[in-house]
Amino acid sequence: ETGVTQTPRHLVMGMTNKKSLKCEQHLGHNAMYWYKQSAKKPLELMFVYSLEERVENNSVPSRFSPECPNSSHLFLHLHTLQPEDSALYLCASSQDLNPGGTEAFFGQGTRLTVV
Amino acid sequence: AQRVTQPEKLLSVFKGAPVELKCNYSYSGSPELFWYVQYSRQRLQLLLRHISRESIKGFTADLNKGETSFHLKKPFAQEEDSAMYYCALSDNNDMRFGAGTRLTVKP
Repeated sequence: ETGVTQTPRHLVMGMTNKKSLKCEQHLGHNAMYWYKQSAKKPLELMFVYSLEERVENNSVPSRFSPECPNSSHLFLHLHTLQPEDSALYLCASSQDLNPGGTEAFFGQGTRLTVV
Repeated sequence: AQRVTQPEKLLSVFKGAPVELKCNYSYSGSPELFWYVQYSRQRLQLLLRHISRESIKGFTADLNKGETSFHLKKPFAQEEDSAMYYCALSDNNDMRFGAGTRLTVKP
């Protein structure tokens, strides 16, 4: 599949579990992002990576831990989550870090439910 | 801090009617503004960006710095325009989205 691919598409986990979300892009983009989309809030930017370096962390709780091993892959490691963390987690990529005028390409998202 | 406001969560119009989706922003610099769209069961995708001054699928959006607005307009709505629309503002490191407006175009 071309574009941005996220796995799994759906995930149900208990509050004591540890799981990881995966994002993959083969667009040759240098910047990747994690967003959280909740039912009652706008899309929230969580993390920004540029050339595998984290450049922004928007006060995200430490129970979310990102990892960018290379420019094509981005992970979001989850542990001891809360029910309010249930949401759609979207990955996006763009050609460059400065997205002004640069299109962001989104994955289909992972629907996470914390029970 | 930058902020994007879409005052309408839901908007419903009849086919052939004009449609305007409102977006207001607050930003201290020169903003880069976008409209993204999410059709049913599809991923979020770019619709248009203000610097391109383009018309996509009949939609246009003009940046009004005086009113700090970037409203999305289409003179004649089509049923296939029914979707979720997000206004977004970008600065150096990130892109912030509004809460979104769900547009329904009725036959």
